Amino acid sequence: SAVISQKPSRDICQRGTSLTIQCQVDSQVTMMFWYRQQPGQSLTLIATANQGSEATYESGFVIDKFPISRPNLTFSTLTVSNMSPEDSSIYLCSVAGTKTYEQYFGPGTRLTVT
Amino acid sequence: AQKVTQAQTEISVVEKEDVTLDCVYETRDTTYYLFWYKQPPSGELVFLIRRNSFDEQNEISGRYSWNFQKSTSSFNFTITASQVVDSAVYFCALSEAASGTYKYIFGTGTRLKVLA
Repeated sequence: SAVISQKPSRDICQRGTSLTIQCQVDSQVTMMFWYRQQPGQSLTLIATANQGSEATYESGFVIDKFPISRPNLTFSTLTVSNMSPEDSSIYLCSVAGTKTYEQYFGPGTRLTVT
Repeated sequence: AQKVTQAQTEISVVEKEDVTLDCVYETRDTTYYLFWYKQPPSGELVFLIRRNSFDEQNEISGRYSWNFQKSTSSFNFTITASQVVDSAVYFCALSEAASGTYKYIFGTGTRLKVLA
């Protein structure tokens, strides 16, 4: 399984600002995913970020609000733009094994917007 | 349409009791994968198990066991002799091979509280 780190682990931000979350993997992976987990809820997929192509966003998520970069096979960033209190969530990245379909998750970034 | 249902929102048991977490799924694919994850209070999702649709063999790993039944579209998870450290939210997830996207459909999770 891959070892995944995320930065920052938590942050408190003012509304209207933006935060960029970094996801670093210790091995090269093709498929990366970004999820949001609102308090007490399940995980909701924001987008799939594959290296060499534009991110694919799920219904209800747009690139202007959640721009994603995937510059190489070990790194990705998710930006939460123009934040509002409703964006307060845990944001998690994950990577998938293309042979096993298993996803391994980073520790998450706890975001609070005031 | 694909869907994962975890009808049990929260379960409380006393330590050393056995507990079963239910997971029912819906899919039209003939090839799919089912997963269980544990999310302790720290927040990180811990992978527990993957099961392929073509492998209905049940699995046991220590105190954990999984019962996969295609006839009832269920993939239930049993913890034997529960411990306080088992307290967490447990998620069941489905991935359909035909989509080629490797995306997961998560259930809503079951919060397990094991009381000392």
